[in-house]
Order: sequence, then structure tokens, then C-alpha cells
Amino acid sequence: NAGVMQNPRHLVRRRGQEARLRCSPMKGHSHVYWYRQLPEEGLKFMVYLQKENIIDESGMPKERFSAEFPKEGPSILRIQQVVRGDSAAYFCASSPPSVPEETQYFGPGTRLLVL
Amino acid sequence: AQSVTQLDSQVPVFEEAPVELRCNYSSSVSVYLFWYVQYPNQGLQLLLKYLSGSTLVKGINGFEAEFNKSQTSFHLRKPSVHISDTAEYFCAVSEVITQGGSEKLVFGKGTKLTVNP
Repeated sequence: NAGVMQNPRHLVRRRGQEARLRCSPMKGHSHVYWYRQLPEEGLKFMVYLQKENIIDESGMPKERFSAEFPKEGPSILRIQQVVRGDSAAYFCASSPPSVPEETQYFGPGTRLLVL
Repeated sequence: AQSVTQLDSQVPVFEEAPVELRCNYSSSVSVYLFWYVQYPNQGLQLLLKYLSGSTLVKGINGFEAEFNKSQTSFHLRKPSVHISDTAEYFCAVSEVITQGGSEKLVFGKGTKLTVNP
């Protein structure tokens, strides 16, 4: 039973480029959460998605950031026109759908470096 | 809104010594409480969680935590640490819900535990 998968594990972009981070939840999980970890900080919630729906995006920056979780395929976190301040580790977590499930299972993260 | 405070950013201890990592939270609603561990350049692994019932929760790797509602604390303890316990530890809370899925986690800033020989 594979865990939460994220790719790429490391991503280097120059300022102004786009970054696409992918997350495949655990099998049977239809809830996905994205968190960002800045250096020397804890994880900060960004967005919560279910299949084809954004449930809570209260932690998403208003500009340049977007997320989706299509019916088929992984969840995508997209950062347009990256800036150096976007350098961070981005973690995805998933949980199952049918009952209140308090535990989120985390992927290994994508470490984004903006030059 | 919930918040989590981890008072100690770094905790150095010697091998086989006991350790306590402190966590306090604030919330106006009922919460679930969690401790996660993060090894260098890896994701987060769940150590233990408190949902309801017994206030003493046992987790993996010999860790345990005690929920204290009156003090709004959820301190993590281990009676004898190993070199391999060197990692960063995060306390987190989420709001209790009744529908499917789970609520977002609110994390503390983390405590770096360093176990020295």
C-alpha cells in the first residue's frame, strides 16, 4: 500500500518561471491538503481539496498560487512567476473520505528552490 | 481559531536521558491533538494522537503524551532517548468535525531534539 507520493522531490526554478508540484494521495483517499514549510518555521496550511472541489483555500496567497485535484490524476499545486520567497518545502497530506478521519498522512515533500 | 505554541525551539539531551517536549494550544472549540516527527529532508510521520478518552496516549518509538485540558497542554515525553530520536518534533491541533475528511492542521513551530552520545 503505497503512501502519499509527491514529485518532484526537489525543484529548482529561476525567478519568473512556473513551478508545478504534484501529489498522489494514498489509495482510497479523496481528501488532499497542501502545507508549506518555510525555513525555521512549522508547516502552514495552504489549501484543502476534494476531487474536483476546493473546500478551503484560506491559506493560499491571493496571487500566483493555485491548486486543483481533478477527477483523474494527481493534485497539482501551481506557482506562477516564482519569487525567491517561494523557496520552501511543500508537503501534501491525504485522508480518507467516508468517515470523520482525524489523521492526515504526509508525503515526503517537494523542496522548491528559487534562484 | 486555533494556535499552537512549542516553547522550546531546541532541546539537547544525552543518550538514555528522559526528555519532555512542551506543547500548549489555544482553541475555542474541541480539538484533536497530534505529535509528528520529521527526520532531516523527509516528510512528517505521525507519532501519536489524542482524540478522546484516556488522557495518556502512547505512540510509536516509546513516546507518550498527556492531554491536560485545564492547562491546554499536550506535552510529549520519552523516558530514555536514543541517538536515532534526533529529529524535529511538531505538535499540531485540528478542529473536531463530524463529516468526512478532516480539518486542516495547525502546527507549532517545532522543537529540534538533539540526542548526544
